[in-house]
Amino acid sequence: AQTVTQSQPEMSVQEAETVTLSCTYDTSESDYYLFWYKQPPSRQMILVIRQEAYKQQNATENRFSVNFQKAAKSFSLKISDSQLGDAAMYFCAYTSYTGTASKLTFGTGTRLQVTL
Amino acid sequence: DAEITQSPRHKITETGRQVTLACHQTWNHNNMFWYRQDLGHGLRLIHYSYGVHDTNKGEVSDGYSVSRSNTEDLPLTLESAASSQTSVYFCASSGGSGRPDTQYFGPGTRLTVL
Repeated sequence: AQTVTQSQPEMSVQEAETVTLSCTYDTSESDYYLFWYKQPPSRQMILVIRQEAYKQQNATENRFSVNFQKAAKSFSLKISDSQLGDAAMYFCAYTSYTGTASKLTFGTGTRLQVTL
Repeated sequence: DAEITQSPRHKITETGRQVTLACHQTWNHNNMFWYRQDLGHGLRLIHYSYGVHDTNKGEVSDGYSVSRSNTEDLPLTLESAASSQTSVYFCASSGGSGRPDTQYFGPGTRLTVL
């Protein structure tokens, strides 16, 4: 079974600084996607960024980028120029295609605090 | 714009009562999912559906049921609510294109069982 591990329950960053959230996963599949979802106090699950395993290039979305190390099964999220609105729970998630459709496996989350 | 909605947003019920949480999506997605979110566990899969009349159990399905009579809706029923089912429930959907794909989430329902 696939597992996703986020070893940092909480992180803190100063406004305008850079922070990296860690995620590792375990799978025997070769074709899969990895995601970072953001959950602000509103509870809404917001997709931040997606990485396809077959792509060697790391995904980027504005101030958000990932460091995808397939051999090490590591998928970290870097947030540059942190803003107060980035404060939230961040979940790493994994999905693979099982022949019909995809199911998500989530990590336990990292709470990010942004300070002035 | 396409969206996925859940109702009610908040629900308080008593132990032993039947409760149904609604999920409606206008993405025309084949796949729909129900998750529960609890502290220390992230989101865990309850049930999922790959199309009309298809339903499958997830990792925490005991005490829950779903039915899929059309593409847009996947209601989640708690047959006899228990205090252990106090949680936040999320519905999600995805297109199911034959490859791993992205799930989009509803706003969540906070359920309290007294």
